[in-house]
Amino acid sequence: GDSVTQMEGPVTLSEEAFLTINCTYTATGYPSLFWYVQYPGEGLQLLLKATKADDKGSNKGFEATYRKETTSFHLEKGSVQVSDSAVYFCALSDSQFYFGTGTSLTVIP
Amino acid sequence: EAGVAQSPRYKIIEKRQSVAFWCNPISGHATLYWYQQILGQGPKLLIQFQNNGVVDDSQLPKDRFSAERLKGVDSTLKIQPAKLEDSAVYLCASISSGGSYNEQFFGPGTRLTVL
Repeated sequence: GDSVTQMEGPVTLSEEAFLTINCTYTATGYPSLFWYVQYPGEGLQLLLKATKADDKGSNKGFEATYRKETTSFHLEKGSVQVSDSAVYFCALSDSQFYFGTGTSLTVIP
Repeated sequence: EAGVAQSPRYKIIEKRQSVAFWCNPISGHATLYWYQQILGQGPKLLIQFQNNGVVDDSQLPKDRFSAERLKGVDSTLKIQPAKLEDSAVYLCASISSGGSYNEQFFGPGTRLTVL
């Protein structure tokens, strides 16, 4: 069945460091791919999405490219801020949603 | 546009007690989901509704969990009787249509602690 595998955390970075969170997926069809973010005490919020191969989703300085050949959707940001501290979830959607286990990011000043 | 509403935000009960959670999705969203998120894990789908019909409840522990969406708007998830392993955050989400390209909008969740 479909599934999402995410890089395990926790990840701790200094402010302005480069961020990569790896995400790979398994799907039988042509899913849409998403990154959701969960700030402390809040619900999940969509960060970015890509609906077909080679699409790049971007938002708030974060980017991820839908790579069909490597079945990946890695999240990147060039310069993280303290306010980016949160848990990040990779997800795919075909007939239903499948979420990864989440990667906790802490950015220290 | 109002978001997905859930209540209560927190609930503490003893094992073998019953509990109910309520969700009101975004107006006009036909599809509603309930997820269970155990600490340190990603959300796990419990049940999906399309209007007032069940689309997928394959992962719902039907011996103790039940859910309904009688008028195709708000929904209730019930646990009876609760077990210790039911301690989790219960998330409700809605989507405007079933298209795979559409994002889900999540409520703030209900944090359940079973003692």
